[in-house]
Amino acid sequence: GNSVTQMEGPVTLSEEAFLTINCTYTATGYPSLFWYVQYPGEGLQLLLKATKADDKGSNKGFEATYRKETTSFHLEKGSVQVSDSAVYFCALTRRGFKTIFGAGTRLFVKA
Amino acid sequence: GAGVSQSPSNKVTEKGKDVELRCDPISGHTALYWYRQSLGQGLEFLIYFQGNSAPDKSGLPSDRFSAERTGGSVSTLTIQRTQQEDSAVYLCASSSTGGADNSPLHFGNGTRLTVT
Repeated sequence: GNSVTQMEGPVTLSEEAFLTINCTYTATGYPSLFWYVQYPGEGLQLLLKATKADDKGSNKGFEATYRKETTSFHLEKGSVQVSDSAVYFCALTRRGFKTIFGAGTRLFVKA
Repeated sequence: GAGVSQSPSNKVTEKGKDVELRCDPISGHTALYWYRQSLGQGLEFLIYFQGNSAPDKSGLPSDRFSAERTGGSVSTLTIQRTQQEDSAVYLCASSSTGGADNSPLHFGNGTRLTVT
């Protein structure tokens, strides 16, 4: 079946550090891949997406590339800010199936 | 336009009482999901609607939980005989074409349920 695996958190970084949150998936066919973010006290919102292999999704300085050969969709940011502190969820969607979420990775950024 | 609306935003109930949670999805969205999120935890899938039918309700924790959707729009999640372990934030999400390739989910702000 379809599944998503994320690196466990929490991840603690200093401001301006480089961020990588790993996400790998298992799916048949050609899923679309997403990163969602949940800021403290807020609801989940879409951060970025990619719908086919080699697509790169980007938003707010975050990027993730859909790698079919490694079944991965790692989230990266070159220089994190305190305001990036949040929980990040990787997810996949396949036509006709429910969306599958990873367990979430909590990020703390220290000033 | 309006986003996904959930009501009530907060609900405190006594153990053993029934509660009903409501979700108004974005107009025209065919897929609707219910999730549960306990403090500091990830998303626990409960049920997924495509139109008015529920092709996947595998996440409902027990037969005390049920959900329905009418007119392809509003959904209600009912918890009977609530228990303290039911305390959590219940999230609703909708998407425009269900399992279509590039349809993200739009989440409501959730209902925080506290069972005393």
